[in-house]
Amino acid sequence: EVQLVESGGGLVQPGGSLRLSCAASGFYFQMYSMNWVRQAPGKGLEWVSYIGSGGRVIYYADSVRGRFTISRDNAKNSLYLQMNSLRAEDTAIYYCARDILDSYHFDYWGQGALVTVSS
Amino acid sequence: SSELTQDPAVSVALGQTVMITCQGDSLRSYYASWYQQKPGQAPVLVIYGKNKRPSGIPDRFSGSSSGDTASLIITAPQAEDEADYYCNSRDSSGNRVFGGGTKLTVL
Repeated sequence: EVQLVESGGGLVQPGGSLRLSCAASGFYFQMYSMNWVRQAPGKGLEWVSYIGSGGRVIYYADSVRGRFTISRDNAKNSLYLQMNSLRAEDTAIYYCARDILDSYHFDYWGQGALVTVSS
Repeated sequence: SSELTQDPAVSVALGQTVMITCQGDSLRSYYASWYQQKPGQAPVLVIYGKNKRPSGIPDRFSGSSSGDTASLIITAPQAEDEADYYCNSRDSSGNRVFGGGTKLTVL
């Protein structure tokens, strides 16, 4: 069974940093590209970042480029999101989501980690 | 960056057919996918590519596409289909984009 479990969320002050992790199991992690998607309270889904299966191809949404860094450790079956210079508008549930092989659709999602940026 | 536009809310009577649309220039080149999200839950993929359904998704869900518009069609929706629905696609740079979401009410 495919499982994605996020961790590392919490309360952080504006300007602070946080690192999210996503532990993957039930599939051959190193074959799949992965993403982070977020959802602000009461709002819609927003794609945040993509990383290819080998970790070399990376994309970011304009709203986080230069502040967030996506990475992965295929040996540990884990995906990460380092978030720096956090702002109130970064407050959201952050989901990790797997791409369908050789596609750009998200077939599995984690349950999400809540990040709250507030003083 | 590209954008996808959805109607904020749609309602349908039990047993009728409903179409939820998604419009954007990127849809002329790339297929959309559709996600169902119920309150407090993670999104679930219901349609992707050229009208493909993941395992476990009822066949009352289908998709179509024409020009810059993609559609999610639910034939004879059930009460359990009441949810938010989001379309998603990509642009030529590899970035992904979501529509603003459509809240479906089943009357």
